[in-house]
Amino acid sequence: DAKTTQPTSMDCAEGRAANLPCNHSTISGNEYVYWYRQIHSQGPQYIIHGLKNNETNEMASLIITEDRKSSTLILPHATLRDTAVYYCIVRVSGTYKYIFGTGTRLKVLA
Amino acid sequence: DTEVTQTPKHLVMGMTNKKSLKCEQHMGHRAMYWYKQKAKKPPELMFVYSYEKLSINESVPSRFSPECPNSSLLNLHLHALQPEDSALYLCASSLLGQGANSPLHFGNGTRLTVT
Repeated sequence: DAKTTQPTSMDCAEGRAANLPCNHSTISGNEYVYWYRQIHSQGPQYIIHGLKNNETNEMASLIITEDRKSSTLILPHATLRDTAVYYCIVRVSGTYKYIFGTGTRLKVLA
Repeated sequence: DTEVTQTPKHLVMGMTNKKSLKCEQHMGHRAMYWYKQKAKKPPELMFVYSYEKLSINESVPSRFSPECPNSSLLNLHLHALQPEDSALYLCASSLLGQGANSPLHFGNGTRLTVT
């Protein structure tokens, strides 16, 4: 199964861009990368997903390297409410198995 | 608010009790999932149902028994649990077929404490 690795924690100043990296070096050609965040005691919240092209929505941007071995989630103007654990997930090809990475605890500082 | 509703929000049960966790969605999703999350750890997949049939069981002990009575409902029956089974149990759903790369939609979970 494809695995993802993420830094354990990161800090970001309020108003600055938060760049959260994820390594998925064993990803297969047709496996998507998904990003979620989880605020304490709530279920994970979907942010964005992509295959090989960069993606943007109202919450964030997703940059996937050309070799697809890594990706970066960008929160363009972080706010205190963006403090959460961010998970990078790969869905195992041919299955409905979504495997969570270890997650990055992002703290946005005032 | 989420579109996946889980009940109860909190549950305390003894090791000899039988209880059930419930999950409901009305988004027309035909895949439903149970995840278990221990404190400060990522969610771990337990079961996946697709078209109301069990398609993935991640070697979960038999004291956890899933059930999918229809396309909108997912239950997790609990019996003879151990204290180490205390965790947040998360339900999720997703599209199948042409929407197969659609994301998971999670409920807010049931926090289970086994005494």
